[in-house]
Amino acid sequence: DIQMTQSPSSVSASVGDRVTITCRASQGVSTWLAWYQQKPGKAPKFLIQGASGLQSGVPSRFSGSGSGTDFTLTISSLHPEDSATYYCQQANSLPLTFGGGTKVDIK
Amino acid sequence: EVQLVESGGGLVQPGGSLRLSCEASGFTLSSYWMHWVRQAPGKGLVWVSRINHDGSTWYADSVKGRFTISRDNAKNTVYLQMNSLEAEDTAVYFCARGHSTSSQNWFDPWGQGTLVTVSS
Repeated sequence: DIQMTQSPSSVSASVGDRVTITCRASQGVSTWLAWYQQKPGKAPKFLIQGASGLQSGVPSRFSGSGSGTDFTLTISSLHPEDSATYYCQQANSLPLTFGGGTKVDIK
Repeated sequence: EVQLVESGGGLVQPGGSLRLSCEASGFTLSSYWMHWVRQAPGKGLVWVSRINHDGSTWYADSVKGRFTISRDNAKNTVYLQMNSLEAEDTAVYFCARGHSTSSQNWFDPWGQGTLVTVSS
């Protein structure tokens, strides 16, 4: 199984700050990597596919990059509504696996 | 509007069974792979199972032999039959659609989830 490791597990930042979350795969997944945002009590929301492809309707302050084993999700300027937990997910091989999540709080 | 609505969750004793349903609307179910993903209380997301449009199925090792995914395209519904339930199966269960016909291992959209609690 491919293990996905996210860091940090939590981050507290101020409105307007730049926030970067990293995701590392235990083996190469090319660009078969997605990012999701989940708010408490809600279903996850699909943000990014193919490591860098922003989904329609997702604000442009979100961006993704990387390939192989190392990936990043960046929020260029944190908004209050970005407070959530973010998960990466590999789609390279079964079983499909998620990172442990990164909780983003607003200071 | 594309929508998924889960039902069937509840409280069940260890060793018991439960069948979850996921009713789809706003798209042609037969064209998409469908997934179940679960989330234990306060924990992360875990993929459980997938059914392709041709009916072929895949499972996480933790549920293999106990859970069965199926689909009824005429009823626009996907099912997860869960047998021999264990306390560790306690979670919110989400159904999710493959994002597009060319990238079916991304999850989009998701249902609202249904809570399964396994306890005596």
